[in-house]
Amino acid sequence: QSVLTQPPSVSGAPGQRVTISCTGSSSNIGAGYDVHWYQQLPGKAPKLFIYGNSNRPSGVPDRFSGSKSGTSASLAITGLQAEDEADYYCQSYDSSLSASGWVFGGGTKLTVL
Amino acid sequence: EVQLVQSGAEAKKPGESLKISCKSSGYSFTSYWIGWVRQMPGKGLEWMGIIYPGDSDTRYSPSFQGQVTISVDKSISTAYLQWSSLKASDTAMYYCTRLNYLGSCSSTSCLGFDYWGQGALVTVSS
Repeated sequence: QSVLTQPPSVSGAPGQRVTISCTGSSSNIGAGYDVHWYQQLPGKAPKLFIYGNSNRPSGVPDRFSGSKSGTSASLAITGLQAEDEADYYCQSYDSSLSASGWVFGGGTKLTVL
Repeated sequence: EVQLVQSGAEAKKPGESLKISCKSSGYSFTSYWIGWVRQMPGKGLEWMGIIYPGDSDTRYSPSFQGQVTISVDKSISTAYLQWSSLKASDTAMYYCTRLNYLGSCSSTSCLGFDYWGQGALVTVSS
């Protein structure tokens, strides 16, 4: 059971818009800790994709955007392309005694139909 | 160019010990925390712990405290993850990753993992 909750899967046709949610609590996202997103292509290491809730590292297309509100965050992808098919993970920091450190969501598999 | 290069795949038996490595280059090794992340087969990412090479300050996730040991050798810019007695449940891909302040802030609230090693597959089976 991950501290941050993501839907196991989302899908969309090429050109469509999809969103991936990341729900936390008052000890992580709701406490003001930033949310970062990572893309993991099949068989590859994770790659930083969105940082500081809504910022894109160089090289990440502007079709990807992030947002945060309250105890949740979202990753939105517009104009879906086949190359976007991957697993996406949100990550934040948790200050509770049980977690006490960096936490990830369970991951969401994006399928481009 | 920042690079984290991990040691190769390992196949071990239950009860054996193991130490895997992560060699950093392209930045000041002693100025950034290095973390280890586990990914069990078909599962998500789990943070295991971090170490600051400058003074070897180490923090562990409660889930991994006492199960693994994280260390560094500053002289060769290398971090390590080791087990004294492997179990079948340790079978997983292990990633090293650099922890950094992401964005314009400099507090714990914006720390994240900006560079990752290629991963090391550890298989434990009798």
